[in-house]
Amino acid sequence: NAGVTQTPKFQVLKTGQSMTLQCAQDMNHEYMSWYRQDPGMGLRLIHYSVGAGITDQGEVPNGYNVSRSTTEDFPLRLLSAAPSQTSVYFCASSPGQGDYTFGSGTRLTVV
Amino acid sequence: GQNIDQPTEMTATEGAIVQINCTYQTSGFNGLFWYQQHAGEAPTFLSYNVLDGLEEKGRFSSFLSRSKGYSYLLLKELQMKDSASYLCAAFTGGGNKLTFGTGTQLKVEL
Repeated sequence: NAGVTQTPKFQVLKTGQSMTLQCAQDMNHEYMSWYRQDPGMGLRLIHYSVGAGITDQGEVPNGYNVSRSTTEDFPLRLLSAAPSQTSVYFCASSPGQGDYTFGSGTRLTVV
Repeated sequence: GQNIDQPTEMTATEGAIVQINCTYQTSGFNGLFWYQQHAGEAPTFLSYNVLDGLEEKGRFSSFLSRSKGYSYLLLKELQMKDSASYLCAAFTGGGNKLTFGTGTQLKVEL
């Protein structure tokens, strides 16, 4: 049972490049979320999903897209990377009632 | 809007007790979570309070007062491995969302 798996663990992008952060869970959880974590800012919600085919915006959605074609996968797409998107990104899943299990994170640097 | 406040840093001595406070103002509040996060790692679940009162799990206890918008995490018999960031998060039922505070960095000293 792998839990929540995020890839890659580290990534360096040039300004303007696009990329997809992968997230997969094998716990059959309905709910999935993407957070970014910056020093002094805490975890901020980017996008979330309440089930396959249903996504919604969180607190800081600009510059990011998501899709949820299956229960297991919830990829996060950076459309045109900017230095302000340098951060640690966490994917998390939950069966409900707010009990989230987090992936190990992706450390992204945009230069 | 959502507003969650907790102290930025705390220092305590090994073997002692420390209390980390959290105040919140959120709409659609359903409960309060505490997570622990060691440097460079993912947050891990510690405790969850839905009703007012104290929840105890070994060396860790968490308290909630919904009328006061207040919670605390109590850590007893502190160990060096307890040095970590402690995140307070409000659970809102709509969308099963967690809204996090900025975290309290706890340093345990000898």
